[in-house]
Amino acid sequence: EDKVVQSPLSLVVHEGDTVTLNCSYEVTNFRSLLWYKQEKKAPTFLFMLTSSGIEKKSGRLSSILDKKELSSILNITATQTGDSAIYLCALLKGSGGSNYKLTFGKGTLLTVNP
Amino acid sequence: DTEVTQTPKHLVMGMTNKKSLKCEQHMGHRAMYWYKQKAKKPPELMFVYSYEKLSINESVPSRFSPECPNSSLLNLHLHALQPEDSALYLCASSPDGWGQGSGEQYFGPGTRLTVT
Repeated sequence: EDKVVQSPLSLVVHEGDTVTLNCSYEVTNFRSLLWYKQEKKAPTFLFMLTSSGIEKKSGRLSSILDKKELSSILNITATQTGDSAIYLCALLKGSGGSNYKLTFGKGTLLTVNP
Repeated sequence: DTEVTQTPKHLVMGMTNKKSLKCEQHMGHRAMYWYKQKAKKPPELMFVYSYEKLSINESVPSRFSPECPNSSLLNLHLHALQPEDSALYLCASSPDGWGQGSGEQYFGPGTRLTVT
């Protein structure tokens, strides 16, 4: 059975801290790993990591895929209160057609205090 | 236009009502999705339309009926719902068809549904 496990489940930090969120997975036919940020409403797409694109960066956020360890980390440097959200990891597997599947982890709740 | 829109934002309906949720995107995306999300849980995939054809139905009860009238529109028809169906219903789209590309999805703001 496919597994997507995020850790920690929740995290409280102070503004300016650096945080690392983890996502580990067990899937066959890995295709891509996706990171989303969800505040009060809908998830917002952050990064997509694939075998040909294992490292992404955007401003204070960066993410790395470790295909050997079957995991990914999401780093946020110099955190701000606006970074407070649930961060979701999702795995896309399959070679196409009916075996294509997207599985979400349970998310990490990040709280950044002033 | 670079967003996914959903209407209504909120919906309260009785168990005998019939209502519809609407989703629209004008980004030329090839796949559209319906998700259900309960509080403090990740989104659960319900349906996938790819190139306007239903590709995935994740064993969703028949009281939920999806429809894709054209490549920009996705509806979810609701009938005889139960109180446990109360949730945030999210629509998403992705540039590539289902089974193609790398799966990045762009979500709409959701419809908060309450079944009384």
